[in-house]
Amino acid sequence: QVQLQQWGAGLLKPSETLSLTCAVYGGSFSGYYWSWIRQPPGKGLEWIGEINHSGSTNYNPSLKSRVTISVDTSKNQFSLKLSSVTAADTAVYYCARGDAGATTVGYYYYYMDVWGKGTTVTVSS
Amino acid sequence: SSELTQDPAVSVALGQTVRITCQGDSLRSYYASWYQQKPGQAPVLVIYGKNNRPSGIPDRFSGSSSGNTASLTITGAQAEDEADYYCNSRDSSGNHLAVFGGGTKLTVL
Repeated sequence: QVQLQQWGAGLLKPSETLSLTCAVYGGSFSGYYWSWIRQPPGKGLEWIGEINHSGSTNYNPSLKSRVTISVDTSKNQFSLKLSSVTAADTAVYYCARGDAGATTVGYYYYYMDVWGKGTTVTVSS
Repeated sequence: SSELTQDPAVSVALGQTVRITCQGDSLRSYYASWYQQKPGQAPVLVIYGKNNRPSGIPDRFSGSSSGNTASLTITGAQAEDEADYYCNSRDSSGNHLAVFGGGTKLTVL
């Protein structure tokens, strides 16, 4: 059974860089999209971006200028860096495993089936 | 703003059937996935693909799709189904971005 364990600093000052890491246990690292999602207090889910095992990334355009997602396949880990944080970046950050593909009837599918427990990140001076 | 639109809140009487909908252009080519989130917990996938349930998800949860609208149906809602529900898919840009709906708060009366 695949499990994701995430960690990183929980309290940052404005202008600092957020850094989180997610380790994948119990399953294959290749063939999936490894995503970061965040949820500000009392608000909905926001997709931040993803990386695959070969290092190909996709980022939310609204965060792209500040986000870097990287992968270390030797450790089955992937990481998130978000630069120049402000109070608006205060949120619970989740890592998740994504899967995507095409069906035989002309539709595509995309879903995230395994999630980390979340890391609360607070940005405050 | 979200490219997937959900009603903010829906209520259902205990044991009755409720449908939660999600609209967006990307749903004309992507099946929506659905997530249940209870307070203080990580989201849990409940429906993916055309109408697939991960192991452990009760069969009272089902999914369907028509045009630009995806639906999550709970047949015989239970008290433990009270939660926030989010839909998700790739977006309509073709750039392999992902997007979530704004979420629907389900209240079981």
